[in-house]
Amino acid sequence: EPEVTQTPSHQVTQMGQEVILRCVPISNHLYFYWYRQILGQKVEFLVSFYNNEISEKSEIFDDQFSVERPDGSNFTLKIRSTKLEDSAMYFCASSEFGQHYTFGSGTRLTVV
Amino acid sequence: AQSVTQLDSHVSVSEGTPVLLRCNYSSSYSPSLFWYVQHPNKGLQLLLKYTSAATLVKGINGFEAEFKKSETSFHLTKPSAHMSDAAEYFCVVTPYTGRRALTFGSGTRLQVQP
Repeated sequence: EPEVTQTPSHQVTQMGQEVILRCVPISNHLYFYWYRQILGQKVEFLVSFYNNEISEKSEIFDDQFSVERPDGSNFTLKIRSTKLEDSAMYFCASSEFGQHYTFGSGTRLTVV
Repeated sequence: AQSVTQLDSHVSVSEGTPVLLRCNYSSSYSPSLFWYVQHPNKGLQLLLKYTSAATLVKGINGFEAEFKKSETSFHLTKPSAHMSDAAEYFCVVTPYTGRRALTFGSGTRLQVQP
């Protein structure tokens, strides 16, 4: 069964540093998403991406965040100047037509 | 706006007994509803989805859920729990509009006792 692949599985970074979380969506999917889950809290929507542009974003997704599809296979989430409160599990997802989502196994980001 | 309330943060059952995980939703539009499961160190796996077809939805691993509009509920059930069902379960809603964002419930951790 096709999978969404996220790398790395764990990332530790110092406060103020920039991190890039990487995702390889399913190859024929057209919609891409990032969600995050702070420990003990709900999974929250960050951003959706379609046709090489952001189609929807939440209040969380401010200027500190950006997404990119640098080539035909990768989908990245960049977090600039990380803060302690950015520590969370970040999930990438993709869907073919925007209804059935496949999630990756997540990247656990720890900001120290 | 839409929201999801999972009524139990933890549920513990014995192996072989029925499972009931409760979910109530609120949505301004005719919603699509999902149940996802997350095993430790794994991604979010789709169990089943409701998208305005049959109100009783069957999913993988023997799970099913019934959409009850009058009660705004979408409870997840399984007749007989298995040890491998121990995981975190999320009820999820999205409005049936152009918006694609999923709104997650807070999750229910299911424990299965031998």
